[in-house]
Amino acid sequence: TQLLEQSPQFLSIQEGENLTVYCNSSSVFSSLQWYRQEPGEGPVLLVTVVTGGEVKKLKRLTFQFGDARKDSSLHITAAQPGDTGLYLCAGEPYNDYKLSFGAGTTVTVRA
Amino acid sequence: EAQVTQNPRYLITVTGKKLTVTCSQNMNHEYMSWYRQDPGLGLRQIYYSMNVEVTDKGDVPEGYKVSRKEKRNFPLILESPSPNQTSLYFCASSPGSGNTEAFFGQGTRLTVV
Repeated sequence: TQLLEQSPQFLSIQEGENLTVYCNSSSVFSSLQWYRQEPGEGPVLLVTVVTGGEVKKLKRLTFQFGDARKDSSLHITAAQPGDTGLYLCAGEPYNDYKLSFGAGTTVTVRA
Repeated sequence: EAQVTQNPRYLITVTGKKLTVTCSQNMNHEYMSWYRQDPGLGLRQIYYSMNVEVTDKGDVPEGYKVSRKEKRNFPLILESPSPNQTSLYFCASSPGSGNTEAFFGQGTRLTVV
């Protein structure tokens, strides 16, 4: 059983459209990280959110941490083919250094 | 360049033949982990180490061993590989001391026949 549930599992959109990926849990986390993984490569950290209600922007990517620190979302505005990849969320529980990963959302942006 | 290096990138082996996947990081990180990645299951932690000579089981440790004799190296050992260990393996390191942001290696694709 995944501690973190990501939805949707797959997302295919046209270039220029917007998309949102969700990461939900019944557990509370001290922080939540988002990674992107491209085929044949390891995951690469995009952002860490640490405060409930926090919003962070990375160019066209907006990350939000839920007020209760149990969920997060990633919104991409005007998606481009270069945004294609597997997006993974990972939660850090309190008093534990073990990250728990979601199963990931595969995003495909068609030109 | 800061990096985590795994070797080999690809490996095909037979059931029962011991193998080692090496992992080295050049960032002086305290914390290192091994994960396996399977379709639909995401990244599952196999073993982790919080510092030299300190290792502990992750979520799926059965059939694997690790050691941490030096800070930079964290090899993964499969004493008697079985087909259900066919997977994509990642080594990762984090600074430690409360910082869990992970740097991942490029992965090792292992096939056990």
